[in-house]
Amino acid sequence: ETGVTQTPRHLVMGMTNKKSLKCEQHLGHNAMYWYKQSAKKPLELMFVYSLEERVENNSVPSRFSPECPNSSHLFLHLHTLQPEDSALYLCASSQDAGSAYNEQFFGPGTRLTVL
Amino acid sequence: AQKVTQAQTEISVVEKEDVTLDCVYETRDTTYYLFWYKQPPSGELVFLIRRNSFDEQNEISGRYSWNFQKSTSSFNFTITASQVVDSAVYFCALRGGDMRFGAGTRLTVKP
Repeated sequence: ETGVTQTPRHLVMGMTNKKSLKCEQHLGHNAMYWYKQSAKKPLELMFVYSLEERVENNSVPSRFSPECPNSSHLFLHLHTLQPEDSALYLCASSQDAGSAYNEQFFGPGTRLTVL
Repeated sequence: AQKVTQAQTEISVVEKEDVTLDCVYETRDTTYYLFWYKQPPSGELVFLIRRNSFDEQNEISGRYSWNFQKSTSSFNFTITASQVVDSAVYFCALRGGDMRFGAGTRLTVKP
């Protein structure tokens, strides 16, 4: 595997379900990110991890719970979601979180539908 | 506050036409970076270019060219002789502190 991978690619869940999204980066980067992409809206940054520590949480509801067990893996645990949470969830990584210079490398996303 | 505006929601052109995607930004930072990303139907954003705020030289890479004008806070992207494979959503982004993305422009190139 190369780059940034995400699983599953598609997920349909009910509002009472608990599920997790997985992201893995094979680039040796130190920073990982979760973004939410809704139709016709800018990408919304949700969480930033640097060297496995959360450095940013942009007022995301507690029904989204991130986990970064090591610098290569990032999870987004989902529980009691709402239909408006349906979106494409993108994971990204970069060399480090503090430098504005570093471009971010994105995974293909998980298309989430909440019924 | 940082903001990126891509006023063109959707653009449709016929193959071989030239097309320009507009990007206007707002920031109070004196040092910042501007980016363009392409999002094909497969979903992942693909990095195209980065510019820093001190480098206003235009750049050309094959059929792609970028025009950075600090005086108008714009960083426009032109595709020359467009091809069907250029069909995608294109995002402009700004990073001083946080990364801020525009809402994207969906480009459709018809054969």
